[in-house]
Amino acid sequence: LAKTTQPISMDSYEGQEVNITCSHNNIATNDYITWYQQFPSQGPRFIIQGYKTKVTNEVASLFIPADRKSSTLSLPRVSLSDTAVYYCLVTKASGSARQLTFGSGTQLTVLP
Amino acid sequence: DAGVTQSPTHLIKTRGQQVTLRCSPKSGHDTVSWYQQALGQGPQFIFQYYEEEERQRGNFPDRFSGHQFPNYSSELNVNALLLGDSALYLCASSIETPYEQYFGPGTRLTVT
Repeated sequence: LAKTTQPISMDSYEGQEVNITCSHNNIATNDYITWYQQFPSQGPRFIIQGYKTKVTNEVASLFIPADRKSSTLSLPRVSLSDTAVYYCLVTKASGSARQLTFGSGTQLTVLP
Repeated sequence: DAGVTQSPTHLIKTRGQQVTLRCSPKSGHDTVSWYQQALGQGPQFIFQYYEEEERQRGNFPDRFSGHQFPNYSSELNVNALLLGDSALYLCASSIETPYEQYFGPGTRLTVT
């Protein structure tokens, strides 16, 4: 699976939009980009998944350029409760035994 | 609908002992994966169980073993505990389609 690189940490203020960029230069044709959120002492929670262009759900948006070598998770109007670690993963969409390979993630701290 | 549940929440063991952790998957899910998360790191894949068999394994020694029962619940066993086995152990359940792993809250294992 392609290796991902993302910033170790980011700070933001309440009400701002936060963009976390992840690079995955060796992404394969059948790979998807998936983001998880994790609060302290809890399991990761699925946020969003995409293959190309833009995906939006009630929580976030995911922007993927045409070359798919990077992706940006966008969190609109963050609040203090969005303080968490965010993981960018490259995942297989087909085939059995689709293990998840996590990196170290990005620690997002939302300040009042 | 109960999500993924894990027991116990916390556990303290002595080096050399053996431990068993338990996981009940989300209702309707038939696949269980186990992950180890050391402090400050992302989760690392241990193995995955499907139809009561180990389907894929990560880079963990044979001291780590597991089992899946007919009701899809699962156990993770670790023998000859080492100090380095201290971590948060996460269980995740899933189905084939749509593929998304749901994580439990984890079991915090401390080896002294």
